[in-house]
Amino acid sequence: AQSVSQHNHHVILSEAASLELGCNYSYGGTVNLFWYVQYPGQHLQLLLKYFSGDPLVKGIKGFEAEFIKSKFSFNLRKPSVQWSDTAEYFCAVPGDSGGGADGLTFGKGTHLIIQP
Amino acid sequence: KAGVTQTPRYLIKTRGQQVTLSCSPISGHRSVSWYQQTPGQGLQFLFEYFSETQRNKGNFPGRFSGRQFSNSRSEMNVSTLELGDSALYLCASILTGTDEQFFGPGTRLTVL
Repeated sequence: AQSVSQHNHHVILSEAASLELGCNYSYGGTVNLFWYVQYPGQHLQLLLKYFSGDPLVKGIKGFEAEFIKSKFSFNLRKPSVQWSDTAEYFCAVPGDSGGGADGLTFGKGTHLIIQP
Repeated sequence: KAGVTQTPRYLIKTRGQQVTLSCSPISGHRSVSWYQQTPGQGLQFLFEYFSETQRNKGNFPGRFSGRQFSNSRSEMNVSTLELGDSALYLCASILTGTDEQFFGPGTRLTVL
C-alpha cells in the first residue's frame, strides 16, 4: 500500500518569504503525484500534478513542485508567498491499480499561515 | 462545465440513525470516489465506483456503503451512526482513465 509523508504539519511565514513543503511517498515504481490545496471554507482544489516528463511541474498561483525519484520526494515550492496562500496543503499519490480505482492516499496535510 | 455537487451540505444526526449522502460528478465522468476527512485521521479513502461497480473500498466497517447509478450519480450510506462518524465527507469526480480527481464541497456530518 502507498503511504505519503508530509514533514511539516504547521508552517508560519511572513508575506514575501519563500516556501518549501516536503512530501515523500513510499512507492518505487511509476507514480503520479498531486498537490491539493484547501482554502478556509472552500473545497479541495488541484494545485499541480506530475504524471511523467519534466520533473519540475508548475501549477496555479505561482506554485511549483519538483519530482525527485531517487529521493521519493515531491516537494512544493513558491518563491514569494502571499497572505492569500493561507490554507491547508495536501500531497497525494494514487493506488497501484491506476485510473482512480484505489483512490488517493493523502498526507496528513500542512497548515500554512501567512502573516501580513 | 459544472463542478461536482454534493447534497446536503450539512447534516445533524443522532447516534444509531442512518444517513444517505449524494454526489453528482462532472458531466462525462464515469467514476467517483468518496473520502472521509477528520482532524485526527485526515483524508481517508472510502470507496470508488466506475460504471455502477465498486472497484475498491478503503479500510472502513461495513456500516459504510455506497452505490452508483447509470447516470454516474453516487450515494453513500452510513448506518447505525456513531459519534466518530462526524466528519466532512468528500466526493471526487475522476477524469476517465486517469488518477486526476476533482472534489466537491463536501457534506459536513455531525453525529450527536
